[in-house]
Amino acid sequence: QKEVEQNSGPLSVPEGAIASLNCTYSDRGSQSFFWYRQYSGKSPELIMSIYSNGDKEDGRFTAQLNKASQYVSLLIRDSQPSDSATYLCVISGTYKYIFGTGTRLKVLA
Amino acid sequence: DGGITQSPKYLFRKEGQNVTLSCEQNLNHDAMYWYRQDPGQGLRLIYYSQIVNDFQKGDIAEGYSVSREKKESFPLTVTSAQKNPTAFYLCASSISPSGANVLTFGAGSRLTVL
Repeated sequence: QKEVEQNSGPLSVPEGAIASLNCTYSDRGSQSFFWYRQYSGKSPELIMSIYSNGDKEDGRFTAQLNKASQYVSLLIRDSQPSDSATYLCVISGTYKYIFGTGTRLKVLA
Repeated sequence: DGGITQSPKYLFRKEGQNVTLSCEQNLNHDAMYWYRQDPGQGLRLIYYSQIVNDFQKGDIAEGYSVSREKKESFPLTVTSAQKNPTAFYLCASSISPSGANVLTFGAGSRLTVL
């Protein structure tokens, strides 16, 4: 079992729809959870961080964390073509960051 | 503006050559990291440094070397012992060596072996 699992996609959604990206992880001791966006050929940039169970909202983005189910998700409301990218789920414990392989999102105009 | 500068952006290496990738940060971060990204794979940790003059091997350190003589700088050398070095290399930093901190990335260096 991979430490961090994401569906590689592509996940295709129409413009204006909600995109739902999911991630599961294996280490119950994980404490910090991040979503990064990576455009093709570019470096990752932080979208959201979440540290406790529940929802965290920032503009069009909502991160959801369920530690009991070892599940973290990212919702993107009112998806735009500019949101088309690969989204990386990152889990960390004491000091080590574990990266998922990413979900490729395509927002269709 | 604070950030991480990686150079060169593109680099070509011949068989048997060592090459060095530069990483400089002006964020006053203590921790610095080198990752390798290959298509279809997650980022893999090569080396990390929590403090000046100290660094630790990551998951795929073989064929690589680093130094941390200054807080701002964490260069990575890809040696001839690295058999498959073609990849996208990312330098990152965090304010302190705690997994709770956000990682900030440089723009990356793409290495191609000729």
